[in-house]
Amino acid sequence: DVKVTQSSRYLVKRTGEKVFLECVQDMDHENMFWYRQDPGLGLRLIYFSYDVKMKEKGDIPEGYSVSREKKERFSLILESASTNQTSMYLCASSLLPPGNTQYFGPGTRLTVL
Amino acid sequence: KQEVTQIPAALSVPEGENLVLNCSFTDSAIYNLQWFRQDPGKGLTSLLLIQSSQREQTSGRLNASLDKSSGRSTLYIAASQPGDSATYLCAVGFNAGGTSYGKLTFGQGTILTVHP
Repeated sequence: DVKVTQSSRYLVKRTGEKVFLECVQDMDHENMFWYRQDPGLGLRLIYFSYDVKMKEKGDIPEGYSVSREKKERFSLILESASTNQTSMYLCASSLLPPGNTQYFGPGTRLTVL
Repeated sequence: KQEVTQIPAALSVPEGENLVLNCSFTDSAIYNLQWFRQDPGKGLTSLLLIQSSQREQTSGRLNASLDKSSGRSTLYIAASQPGDSATYLCAVGFNAGGTSYGKLTFGQGTILTVHP
């Protein structure tokens, strides 16, 4: 079975802190994605990566950056956390080409105070 | 703008009922459509993936259909059980004319409650 793990289930940070969210998949998937999920707004794509060191902006990249140094690991970075980044963050992975199932991690509930 | 809409937003049914969840999308040029289930506070679990060349997929009590020309998909759940209670999300992989890298656009979801 595909397994996507996220470094924390719950995280509490202060405004202005640098925050790292880590995602690891164990199925050699090329594609990896970071979403945030908010009530009333649904899931929105922040960034995605289709190969090591490759990244593409999603629909809401402002305030975020990403890093993919190894194929299995995709990190989301909040350079200076703000209260409006309080959300559920979900990581997913899939094989290339397009048309393959996305597998999701359990999510990280981030609260920025 | 490519959008995905799910109706109804919430549904409450008695156990044993057959039910249909609806998903509509704005552009018929798609790679695929996926249905997911999400339990409260958890990640998403993939239920069914329909490729653009397919009309339906089945898994156990679940059947999903796809009609690209009308921009619609339905998820049919037979003989519903309390354990089916969850949020069901429809997601579409739109073909933007280039490489989509498997990006999905999600609907807002349907919250399903099956009561004993």
